[in-house]
Amino acid sequence: DGGITQSPKYLFRKEGQNVTLSCEQNLNHDAMYWYRQDPGQGLRLIYYSQIVNDFQKGDIAEGYSVSREKKESFPLTVTSAQKNPTAFYLCASSDIGQSKSPLHFGNGTRLTVT
Amino acid sequence: AQSVTQLGSHVSVSEGALVLLRCNYSSSVPPYLFWYVQYPNQGLQLLLKYTTGATLVKGINGFEAEFKKSETSFHLTKPSAHMSDAAEYFCAVSLLAGGKLIFGQGTELSVKP
Repeated sequence: DGGITQSPKYLFRKEGQNVTLSCEQNLNHDAMYWYRQDPGQGLRLIYYSQIVNDFQKGDIAEGYSVSREKKESFPLTVTSAQKNPTAFYLCASSDIGQSKSPLHFGNGTRLTVT
Repeated sequence: AQSVTQLGSHVSVSEGALVLLRCNYSSSVPPYLFWYVQYPNQGLQLLLKYTTGATLVKGINGFEAEFKKSETSFHLTKPSAHMSDAAEYFCAVSLLAGGKLIFGQGTELSVKP
C-alpha cells in the first residue's frame, strides 16, 4: 500500500541538541510538507517542497531546516535555535500535477525536548 | 489573506444525535475547502473536499458539508453520531489545487452513549 511513513513515532531529546525527523513517501507525489501541531492551534506550516532540491519556508520556519535530495524523502531537522520544539510534527504530500489533489498525511512524530 | 475559523473547540453530542461542526473562511477568491479527521496520536485523514460544482459534498463515514458562498461557510454535518466519530476535526482552505493548506484550530467531538 502506498503511504507516508514518519519515524520515529516518539522522540525525546535534551535541550540544545539538534534532532532529525524522518518522512518517506511511496505515493510518487511531487510536493511534501511539514506541519507542526500544538493543542488549540491547529496545524502550522513549517516548510514545503514542490520539487527535488527546492523548498520554501512556511509560516513558522525559524529554528527548523529541511532537505529534499530525493523525491521520496523530506527530513526535518529541529535545531537548538527552535525555542519551543516540543510538539507533534506531521508530514504530508500531494500530487500537484493532479487537479484538486488533497494532502495525504503520515501518522506523526511526537517530539519532547527537556 | 486566507483564514479559517472553527466555532467551538469542543462539541459534545449524544450517540444518534445530529453532528454539526462549524467552519467559516475568509478568502478573496473561491477557495478549495476540506474537512479532515484526526484520531488520537495519528495523522489527518481526508473526510471530504469541495473544489467546484455541487455545493453539497458527501464524504466518508456518513459526513457531508455544504459550501455556502454567501455565508463563507463550510459546515460539517452527520445525521446520526456514532461512538467511533469521537475525534478532532479540522477545516482547511487552499487557493491552489494540491497547494498548501491553511487549517482552522480544530474541533474536538465527543460522543456520549
